[in-house]
Amino acid sequence: SQQGEEDPQALSIQEGENATMNCSYKTSINNLQWYRQNSGRGLVHLILIRSNEREKHSGRLRVTLDTSKKSSSLLITASRAADTASYFCATAPKAAGNKLTFGGGTRVLVKP
Amino acid sequence: NAGVTQTPKFRVLKTGQSMTLLCAQDMNHEYMYWYRQDPGMGLRLIHYSVGEGTTAKGEVPDGYNVSRLKKQNFLLGLESAAPSQTSVYFCASSRSSGGLWDTQYFGPGTRLTVL
Repeated sequence: SQQGEEDPQALSIQEGENATMNCSYKTSINNLQWYRQNSGRGLVHLILIRSNEREKHSGRLRVTLDTSKKSSSLLITASRAADTASYFCATAPKAAGNKLTFGGGTRVLVKP
Repeated sequence: NAGVTQTPKFRVLKTGQSMTLLCAQDMNHEYMYWYRQDPGMGLRLIHYSVGEGTTAKGEVPDGYNVSRLKKQNFLLGLESAAPSQTSVYFCASSRSSGGLWDTQYFGPGTRLTVL
């Protein structure tokens, strides 16, 4: 199974509501990153949180990291139709020789 | 600043044909990566490069070759395409200052179909 796994796989919310998605991983990491992918496009970097950080904010985005539980969450507040996309977490491993690993993503649909 | 560009955007191949995908970045990034994305899945790393003239295998390197002759370009080759290589291919790059596996900047993707 994958190093990073998002939950839920899909999420449907109304505009203005908050969206929360989670990422769990298996091995020790240097950092964890969240990316957004709009349909048919490349990935866009949202936030990088390092292993010694617990929370980070960027605009309407809030990311938390709990290394003891090997999990992270991404919260999008006051969602907009333009937030409709797939969101991926990617984990950068501490162990040499391991690679950045992406999860399968959470598909978010924001209904106007 | 174009960022990361990929050519072509779409390609259809017959089994056994060969092709090269070109990735170019104008951000003077040291590191470059090739990924593939299959339906409903995350990205899987094919090959990567930590600098001009260097390449390394990723998670799924079989059936692919790469070259990094110039710092700004990273080429992905399929010598004998197979239907299992039908996928969307993404190139990415990142700065060396953040270390390998730091923030990556992605191209728009190449959609490849092998019949």
